[in-house]
Amino acid sequence: GENVEQHPSTLSVQEGDSAVIKCTYSDSASNYFPWYKQELGKRPQLIIDIRSNVGEKKDQRIAVTLNKTAKHFSLHITETQPEDSAVYFCAPQDGNQFYFGTGTSLTVIP
Amino acid sequence: NAGVTQTPKFQVLKTGQSMTLQCAQDMNHNSMYWYRQDPGMGLRLIYYSASEGTTDKGEVPNGYNVSRLNKREFSLRLESAAPSQTSVYFCASSELPSGGDEQYFGPGTRLTVT
Repeated sequence: GENVEQHPSTLSVQEGDSAVIKCTYSDSASNYFPWYKQELGKRPQLIIDIRSNVGEKKDQRIAVTLNKTAKHFSLHITETQPEDSAVYFCAPQDGNQFYFGTGTSLTVIP
Repeated sequence: NAGVTQTPKFQVLKTGQSMTLQCAQDMNHNSMYWYRQDPGMGLRLIYYSASEGTTDKGEVPNGYNVSRLNKREFSLRLESAAPSQTSVYFCASSELPSGGDEQYFGPGTRLTVT
């Protein structure tokens, strides 16, 4: 199975600053790379994803970059807002399974 | 559309008791999944069903069984609950049988085994 590592485990930023979370994976055959956001007590929800034939994808303040050679992908959040405070998970796909990272707790300080 | 629904929302069991967690989706998705979430561990896949009529083990299947009753419903059964199965359980579904598509999660079931 996939070996997934996510860093950092906690991250605090000032409102308006940028946040970057990195996810490394082990299976070079993986071809789908999503990021999920989970607010306290709620279900995970997809915020952005990328496929292996693309190097970068952007959606307003959120972007994902993929380096297939180095087997890592990163979540970038710009102009952070207090509502961005949550736990973020990467979940690269390996075959029919998704392997979730252990999560990054992001706190945006007003 | 209700999306993905789960019952019950909360459950307390004694060691050795059995129970079934129910999950249903109304999005006509092909694939369904059961995860458990423990503090600091992320979500770990218990079982999944890539399409109606098939089920496969995930990362942590021991102590669990599943049934894909039809395209809409995917249940998870604990035959003899143990304290190590105390966790939050999430059901999810996605459209594509081969994955590579967004997973939609249910609201979760918080299970405590004493």
